[in-house]
Amino acid sequence: DIQMTQSPSTLSASVGDRVTISCRASQSIGNWLAWYQQKPGQAPKLLIYQASTLESGVASRFSGSGSGTEFTLTISSLQPDDFATYYCQQYNNYGTFGQGTKVEIK
Amino acid sequence: QAQLVQSGAEVKKPGASVKVSCQASGYTFTSHEIHWVRQATGLGLEWMGWMNPNNGKTGFAQNFQGRVTVTRNTSIATTYMELASLTSDDTAIYYCARARGPYTGSKYFDVWGRGTLVTVSS
Repeated sequence: DIQMTQSPSTLSASVGDRVTISCRASQSIGNWLAWYQQKPGQAPKLLIYQASTLESGVASRFSGSGSGTEFTLTISSLQPDDFATYYCQQYNNYGTFGQGTKVEIK
Repeated sequence: QAQLVQSGAEVKKPGASVKVSCQASGYTFTSHEIHWVRQATGLGLEWMGWMNPNNGKTGFAQNFQGRVTVTRNTSIATTYMELASLTSDDTAIYYCARARGPYTGSKYFDVWGRGTLVTVSS
């Protein structure tokens, strides 16, 4: 099974900050990676797929990069609505999620 | 717009089974796989398995093989996930999700149900 490891587990930031979340796969997954945002009491929301393609309707301050085993989600200027937990998911071989990164208010 | 509506919360005793439904609307039911993902309280997302509603083919994570069954009723655009031999570790929110992507069973999820809380308690 492919394991996904996110870092950090928790990130404290302020509105306007540039935020970067990392995701590492235990083996190469090409660019078959998605990112999701989840808020308390809600289902996850798709942000990015194929490592860097922004889902329709998602704010352009979100971007993704990487390939192979190393991936990054960047929020260029953190907004109040962005405080949430973020998950990466590989879909090269079925689906595995990272453990999540909680972005909290500094 | 595309929507997935799940059945309501369940409380089950250890050893019992639970069946959760997921009804699709707003798109062609047979055009997208449906996947199941669960989330224990305060924890992360765990992928469980998938079904192709067009042909009924399924696939499951190793952790759930032999214990989970996914079926569908195409006439009402509904998928069912049944999990057997429940333990307290199965207490979680169970989500169904519509899938997109390149390979059978290996996809990402663009539409999610609101989740069904399954509580396993004696």
